[in-house]
Amino acid sequence: AQSVTQPDIHITVSEGASLELRCNYSYGATPYLFWYVQSPGQGLQLLLKYFSGDTLVQGIKGFEAEFKRSQSSFNLRKPSVHWSDAAEYFCAVNTGNQFYFGTGTSLTVIP
Amino acid sequence: DAGVTQSPTHLIKTRGQHVTLRCSPISGHKSVSWYQQVLGQGPQFIFQYYEKEERGRGNFPDRFSARQFPNYSSELNVNALLLGDSALYLCASSLAGQGWETQYFGPGTRLLVL
Repeated sequence: AQSVTQPDIHITVSEGASLELRCNYSYGATPYLFWYVQSPGQGLQLLLKYFSGDTLVQGIKGFEAEFKRSQSSFNLRKPSVHWSDAAEYFCAVNTGNQFYFGTGTSLTVIP
Repeated sequence: DAGVTQSPTHLIKTRGQHVTLRCSPISGHKSVSWYQQVLGQGPQFIFQYYEKEERGRGNFPDRFSARQFPNYSSELNVNALLLGDSALYLCASSLAGQGWETQYFGPGTRLLVL
């Protein structure tokens, strides 16, 4: 069965520090991979996506993610976190007619 | 252009009642998907519609149903409400519902079942 795992429920980083949020997926074929962010009271906003080509994907707000087929991973990174990045982050897989989300990683940014 | 809109924003129902949630996609988008997000969890896929046809269905009981209208708006219906149906219901639209397309999410309808 298809699934998405985000092993880190909650992460705390200092403003200006680097960030990596982990995502692993289980799917037989090459999936379409997404990272979304959800701020309190806000809808889900797409950060970036991968569906083919270069395995390093650039997104909005300075985020990037790398697809590693051998590790079934699609980790999200940012070199320098801003206080406004505090939010819930969701990794998702689209198999073509179903969309699977992970349980999310809550990011706290301390000054 | 307006984004995805959903109505109502909040709703309180009692067990056993029926509820209808509404979604209007972004202009030009022909696919609508529905998700249930329980507090502290990621969204769970319920349905996807494209051109008024059901294209995908998640693991939800038959109490959940949906439809898409000729103007591509959509309704999600839930019968015989249970306490566990309390959640944020999200609607998302995309151009044609293909796997690689970006889905644009609405703000959601928060349903509380008492």
